[in-house]
Amino acid sequence: DADVTQTPRNRITKTGKRIMLECSQTKGHDRMYWYRQDPGLGLRLIYYSFDVKDINKGEISDGYSVSRQAQAKFSLSLESAIPNQTALYFCATSPGGTSGANVLTFGAGSRLTVL
Amino acid sequence: AQTVTQSQPEMSVQEAETVTLSCTYDTSESDYYLFWYKQPPSRQMILVIRQEAYKQQNATENRFSVNFQKAAKSFSLKISDSQLGDAAMYFCACKETSGSRLTFGEGTQLTVNP
Repeated sequence: DADVTQTPRNRITKTGKRIMLECSQTKGHDRMYWYRQDPGLGLRLIYYSFDVKDINKGEISDGYSVSRQAQAKFSLSLESAIPNQTALYFCATSPGGTSGANVLTFGAGSRLTVL
Repeated sequence: AQTVTQSQPEMSVQEAETVTLSCTYDTSESDYYLFWYKQPPSRQMILVIRQEAYKQQNATENRFSVNFQKAAKSFSLKISDSQLGDAAMYFCACKETSGSRLTFGEGTQLTVNP
């Protein structure tokens, strides 16, 4: 099984629908992240969490919310999806500490299409 | 906040040849890490190589090596003896040790021609 599992892998939805992308990890890492990938823009950080009680906004958090249900689970929600949220979404994890915290392990990505 | 720029949207190389992908970055911190990630068509983000800014020696991983020019804030990736499996999108990334964000460049799509 993958260390970082994202569901669903692909999703097509309509404008205005609520969507949840889920992420679970078996790495035992404290830190979890949600990134969005768009062509020509690379990956941009949406939200990150350093532990269950710590949630922080990234550079593009508008229109998104997250929930850290447990150390191993971090979900991303789009309350009312819009077409420009069509993208590839990545969950990632890293350990705490010093050097280790700088190396991220990524999930396989969730491709979301909003019509 | 750090920024990362990859000025080559696309590159191509002949199989068995060498190719260099460019990356420049900007950060006000003195302690940071630099990375190259590979994204094949499977979409998986795979760490290729990393460099600690305090280390002067360039990192090497088998056929992959970097040219880290700290003063110029340049971090290029050299792929030697290119293989068909090297075809992918390559992302350069930077993380300040004191910060929480891994910042990515725009990506370079590498094609390997047989």
